[in-house]
Parts: sequence; C-alpha cells; structure tokens
Amino acid sequence: EAGVTQFPSHSVIEKGQTVTLRCDPISGHDNLYWYRRVMGKEIKFLLHFVKESKQDESGMPNNRFLAERTGGTYSTLKVQPAELEDSGVYFCASSYGWVRAQYFGPGTRLLVL
Amino acid sequence: DQQVKQNSPSLSVQEGRISILNCDYTNSMFDYFLWYKKYPAEGPTFLISISSIKDKNEDGRFTVFLNKSAKHLSLHIVPSQPGDSAVYFCAASTMDTGRRALTFGSGTRLQVQP
Repeated sequence: EAGVTQFPSHSVIEKGQTVTLRCDPISGHDNLYWYRRVMGKEIKFLLHFVKESKQDESGMPNNRFLAERTGGTYSTLKVQPAELEDSGVYFCASSYGWVRAQYFGPGTRLLVL
Repeated sequence: DQQVKQNSPSLSVQEGRISILNCDYTNSMFDYFLWYKKYPAEGPTFLISISSIKDKNEDGRFTVFLNKSAKHLSLHIVPSQPGDSAVYFCAASTMDTGRRALTFGSGTRLQVQP
C-alpha cells in the first residue's frame, strides 16, 4: 500500500511569489492534515480535512494560506504571497475514520528567499 | 506555551541496552498519545500509541507507559538497535469532538552506539 506522497519535495521561491504544495493521502483515508515545522522547532498543526470539508483550520497562520481538497482525495496548500517566515517543512498526514494514528508524508521543504 | 515537552534533546545508549525517552504534558484534556520516529529528510513514522484509559501499551520492542497523575509518558525500547538512531517525537491529542490536531514535543535525538 502506497504511503502519503507530497509534491514537490523541495521548493525555493522568492518573497512575494506563490507556491502550491500537493498531498496525496493513503488511498481510502478520509482524514487529511497539514502540519508545518519551522526552523527546527516543533511540528505544528495547520488544518484538518474530513473528506472535502475543513473540519479544523485553527492552526492556519493567516489568510495568505489557502488549503483545498476538492473531491475529497488529494489536497493542495497554496501560499500567496510567500513571506520569509513561511520557510520550513510542510508535512501532510492522513488517517481513516475514527483511527487516531496519523501517517505522515515525507514533507515539502520550502525556502523563501 | 508548550503543552507537550521533551526535556532531553538527546540520548545515547549502547546497543542491546534499554532506551527510555520521556515526555511531559500540561493539558489535562489530552486523551491520546503517540510516539513517532523521524529520520533526516523524511516524515515522522508512527511507532506506537496509548489511550488515556490505559497505562501501558506494548508492541514488540516498544512499550509506552502513561502516568496520568504525573502527566508523564515514556517510551521504552528494548533491546536498542543501531537502526533505532533517530529523532523521537511525542505527540498528543484531545478528546474534543472532531478535533484531531496533534500537539508535538520538540523531539529527542536517540543515538544507539554499536
């Protein structure tokens, strides 16, 4: 069974540009999560989808971040416009139903210059 | 305010010995706890979890202990192997309906010496 996949693995952009990250969850997983780790600090929650609906977006830092999950399958996280402090590793995770263990992807390393 | 704390940034043990990683939490609403292992340039890998209705859960070489009164949990790895060398994260989630967000500690780097 394929795990959570994320694309791209790395992205280097300039301040003010737009970047879109993609996450494909484990097949059949209805829950999808985005997390971020900035500057080697704690991994922090951004938001949670149940199928295509946003269940919890309490961790989204500001309105420059937009997450979507059309059709309840893959998800995208767009940062527009990117700022220097957005640099970090963005992880996606998924889980099925009421199972609470979340399975993480390899992450996208974003560097904003 | 850090709700999940891993106070030891690093730990070194000899191969074959026991590794004990510790985690403290402050939020009494946490009811589910997980341990993840992370290698460089990879995502966290789920290891083992425990619900607050239990005080111990075991899976092969990995055992997690939960002391609710002390708000403390620990991960025991016996016997430790060089391949266990990685950063270990403790995570917790609350019982709030619909909320599944994991709160992570800062991690402990485990080095198992051959």
